[in-house]
Amino acid sequence: AQKITQTQPGMFVQEKEAVTLDCTYDTSDQSYGLFWYKQPSSGEMIFLIYQGSYDEQNATEGRYSLNFQKARKSANLVISASQLGDSAMYFCAMREAMEYGNKLVFGAGTILRVKS
Amino acid sequence: KAGVTQTPRYLIKTRGQQVTLSCSPISGHRSVSWYQQTPGQGLQFLFEYFSETQRNKGNFPGRFSGRQFSNSRSEMNVSTLELGDSALYLCASSLVAAIPYEQYFGPGTRLTVT
Repeated sequence: AQKITQTQPGMFVQEKEAVTLDCTYDTSDQSYGLFWYKQPSSGEMIFLIYQGSYDEQNATEGRYSLNFQKARKSANLVISASQLGDSAMYFCAMREAMEYGNKLVFGAGTILRVKS
Repeated sequence: KAGVTQTPRYLIKTRGQQVTLSCSPISGHRSVSWYQQTPGQGLQFLFEYFSETQRNKGNFPGRFSGRQFSNSRSEMNVSTLELGDSALYLCASSLVAAIPYEQYFGPGTRLTVT
């Protein structure tokens, strides 16, 4: 079974600076997908970015980029030019194939606090 | 396009009661998954429905059940509530046939069992 590890329970970053949130994963599958979600205090999970295991380029979506290092089994999220609204819980997740369909396996999350 | 909606947003029940939560997926999405989020266990997969059929189920007792209707709306039911069922219940919908099968989440229903 897949496993996601997020070793940073909490992070602080100064407004307008960049921050990296760590994520390592464990899987025996050759084909897999990695996701990052943001969860504000309201509770809703917001999809940020996706990286497929066969994608040759690191994924980017606006201020979000994914530093994908397949050999190290890491998929770190980089947020550039942090904003106060980035303060939230961030989850790394992996798609796990089931008998039919897929489910997401989540890490424990990292709380990010942006300071003004 | 409207997002995933969940009702109710907040719910307080007492032990032993049962509860039904509702989820309306994004229009055109036929897969609906449910997750339970607690401080101790994190986010855990409950089950997934597709075309009115439960395709996958997580490691939860039989007190947790669900169904999906022909319009893809889904309900989950928890019977004989226990204190440990207090959690945020998240519903997610996805376009099954489209890689990366990304799931779009609703705002959740926060259930408190007293």
